[in-house]
Amino acid sequence: EDKVVQSPLSLVVHEGDTVTLNCSYEVTNFRSLLWYKQEKKAPTFLFMLTSSGIEKKSGRLSSILDKKELFSILNITATQTGDSAIYLCAPPEGNQFYFGTGTSLTVIP
Amino acid sequence: ETGVTQTPRHLVMGMTNKKSLKCEQHLGHNAMYWYKQSAKKPLELMFVYNFKEQTENNSVPSRFSPECPNSSHLFLHLHTLQPEDSALYLCASSQDPTNIQYFGAGTRLSVL
Repeated sequence: EDKVVQSPLSLVVHEGDTVTLNCSYEVTNFRSLLWYKQEKKAPTFLFMLTSSGIEKKSGRLSSILDKKELFSILNITATQTGDSAIYLCAPPEGNQFYFGTGTSLTVIP
Repeated sequence: ETGVTQTPRHLVMGMTNKKSLKCEQHLGHNAMYWYKQSAKKPLELMFVYNFKEQTENNSVPSRFSPECPNSSHLFLHLHTLQPEDSALYLCASSQDPTNIQYFGAGTRLSVL
């Protein structure tokens, strides 16, 4: 059974739209959840979330965690073509991070 | 630049070849990782090294052989691969296994 489920699998929006990406997880001894953006090759780190209800923001991107319901969301407002990428979430369990399949976001001009 | 460098960026090899992938990190991290990324599948963790010691091996076939001579360098030796091993191989490093991982750009491997 998958420890991490991301939805939607893919999304196509127009520039200026707002999107919400979802990540549900099921790991033991939860410590944190990480969000990454993968454009061409290397996933790049976006956020690390450890506490419920506290929003992390970076420009037009924000993320929040709900430890009770075991999910996190990543919001992107006023999307731009440069936001086109695969967005991955990953909670660790033990010494491993478990990655979801990601949400593929395409922003059309 | 993430501080994690992988070479080569692309590799095509036959099933009988032996080749090696190299990863170097300039971040002063103690943990290094190999991941495999195939189309439409999640990143699969292959190996974890912490302070040069292998701490995780996720049932990876023996045709993949990792080597970590020091905390800055990680190799993946490839031998007698199968076409289904074609994938993007990503290296990552972190301060410790519970911390944020920084990824290299990957090696795109094609096995013919």
